[in-house]
Amino acid sequence: DGGITQSPKYLFRKEGQNVTLSCEQNLNHDAMYWYRQDPGQGLRLIYYSQIVNDFQKGDIAEGYSVSREKKESFPLTVTSAQKNPTAFYLCASSIDLGRIGEQFFGPGTRLTVL
Amino acid sequence: GENVEQHPSTLSVQEGDSAVIKCTYSDSASNYFPWYKQELGKGPQLIIDIRSNVGEKKDQRIAVTLNKTAKHFSLHITETQPEDSAVYFCAERSNDYKLSFGAGTTVTVRA
Repeated sequence: DGGITQSPKYLFRKEGQNVTLSCEQNLNHDAMYWYRQDPGQGLRLIYYSQIVNDFQKGDIAEGYSVSREKKESFPLTVTSAQKNPTAFYLCASSIDLGRIGEQFFGPGTRLTVL
Repeated sequence: GENVEQHPSTLSVQEGDSAVIKCTYSDSASNYFPWYKQELGKGPQLIIDIRSNVGEKKDQRIAVTLNKTAKHFSLHITETQPEDSAVYFCAERSNDYKLSFGAGTTVTVRA
């Protein structure tokens, strides 16, 4: 059963702590993305990766970091430098960057920083 | 693409009626316009898309129209059903392989 998994579904952290959100896909997709979703706003791109060992900053990359050591995995670290980290985070993948519109989304992780 | 405006932000319709959501964009280089449906607690799912060389596309009860001159595109849902209740997002892509999303429309279908 192919798809994208994100874990955990809910995450709580204290202010000042780094936290890593997991994203795994078994769709054999080259491209992967991280978005942030806030109430009343559209999805905003944090980072994207076209291929293994390559990633690019999106529109709101400050305070975040990523790695792409394996094709299947694209973890996102929310660092203490991110001023307003509480949000709903969505991971997605597509066959390649050219088919970004046909991306599959994971179920999301809701991060709350206390 | 940098800016996509989506209206309305909320929409309540009687079951069986039609729902229309409109988005406007500013980048004349935009060439691809997908629509996503997000159900509660889930990630968005692509439901229909249209490319800049086409004016209209239909898939069963869902249709999308594009007016390149006016820089707007719309989602039309006919014969709405309770399972159509969700948040709908429009998006556009220009040449930089990134999507810009609208703020979303919460659609409620009243039984």
